[in-house]
Amino acid sequence: EVHLVESGGDLVQPGGSLRLSCAASGFTFSSYAMSWVRQAPGKGLEWVSAISGRGESIYYADSVKGRFTISRDSSKNTLYLQMRTLSPADTAIYYCAKQWSAVVVPAAMSSWGRGTLVTVSS
Amino acid sequence: SYELTQPLSVSVALGQTARITCGGTNLGIKNVHWYQQRPGQAPVLVIYRDSSRPSGIPERFSGFNSGDTATLTISGAQAGDEADYYCQVWDSGSAVFGGGTKLTVL
Repeated sequence: EVHLVESGGDLVQPGGSLRLSCAASGFTFSSYAMSWVRQAPGKGLEWVSAISGRGESIYYADSVKGRFTISRDSSKNTLYLQMRTLSPADTAIYYCAKQWSAVVVPAAMSSWGRGTLVTVSS
Repeated sequence: SYELTQPLSVSVALGQTARITCGGTNLGIKNVHWYQQRPGQAPVLVIYRDSSRPSGIPERFSGFNSGDTATLTISGAQAGDEADYYCQVWDSGSAVFGGGTKLTVL
């Protein structure tokens, strides 16, 4: 059974940094692309970033490009999201999602974690 | 940037058929995925590649995509189907979600 557990969410001041982690189990981690998707309080889903199974292809939403960095460590079965220069607009629940295949596009997000809350406020 | 348009809300009587639309330019040439999100829970994939159902998703859920509109159909709607539903596609290396539709089962 696929299991995804996000961690690292916290209250951070504007301009600060945070690193999220997503521990994966129940599948061959390096065989699947992964995404981060966020949801601001009371709002809809917003895709943030994606990385292919072996990490050779990386994609970012325009809203986070240059500030966020996605990475993965297959030896630890863990996905990361390094977030810098955070603003209140980044406040959201951050979900990691396993995609249907090793390639990012145009695969669906077949399994999701429960999310971790990031709050950016002074 | 590419946009997907969904109705804010759809209502359906218990046991009847609900249809949720997702509109986008030439949407029919893209792979459309649908997600269900119950209150306080993470999203769940219910339809992928326009019309395929993941294992464990009831046959009551079906999808169709043609022209500029994709449709998620829920036949024999149950109380447990009350949730937010999102369509999603990939466009120019970015995932795009629709704004979401709140399904109310009366």
